[in-house]
Amino acid sequence: GAVVSQHPSWVICKSGTSVKIECRSLDFQATTMFWYRQFPKQSLMLMATSNEGSKATYEQGVEKDKFLINHASLTLSTLTVTSAHPEDSSFYICSLRRGFGNGYTFGSGTRLTVV
Amino acid sequence: QQQVKQSPQSLIVQKGGIPIINCAYENTAFDYFPWYQQFPGKGPALLIAIRPDVSEKKEGRFTISFNKSAKQFSLHIMDSQPGDSATYFCAASKETSGSRLTFGEGTQLTVNP
Repeated sequence: GAVVSQHPSWVICKSGTSVKIECRSLDFQATTMFWYRQFPKQSLMLMATSNEGSKATYEQGVEKDKFLINHASLTLSTLTVTSAHPEDSSFYICSLRRGFGNGYTFGSGTRLTVV
Repeated sequence: QQQVKQSPQSLIVQKGGIPIINCAYENTAFDYFPWYQQFPGKGPALLIAIRPDVSEKKEGRFTISFNKSAKQFSLHIMDSQPGDSATYFCAASKETSGSRLTFGEGTQLTVNP
């Protein structure tokens, strides 16, 4: 499967600040990437689908102005958590699909802690 | 229609045992059923996947059984080892349309030495 690099692996920020998480496809040009959020002992919840060169598609209940997604190239998608609050503390994971029949590959995740 | 139900929530077995994790889906349009393994602090890693044209798939110690009529599929781990202790997620998607994955709730597996 594709190799997906996610950075940083963990970050601590103060309430009210913004944090940017990067997701890079190292060996595949991904027109679509996915962003998930995972709370402790829970499943992955899709936040949004990131489309290269166009606006992201957000899932119901996800604030698009709070979770800014930019997919400016075929190898990079970024998620920016704006004006972070403690309730935004979670594990954020990106994913991409390497074409039909090749499944979905996930990044290693970013642990965000807002204090 | 989009839900995938997974059970049990947690499972404890002894080394060498055969844990079985079950999933049920509703959407008959789903055509891709993967299982993911996740260790703490890491992203999910694809373990094995099946499509509805076969009833069983085996890769190493991992086997998926698929029952299309019952809309159920399960993961069997043969000769389980302590290193298999992790959280396992089933998922489903309509891959032919490029749709996103719908995940089950997850099963925390503990394999005791």
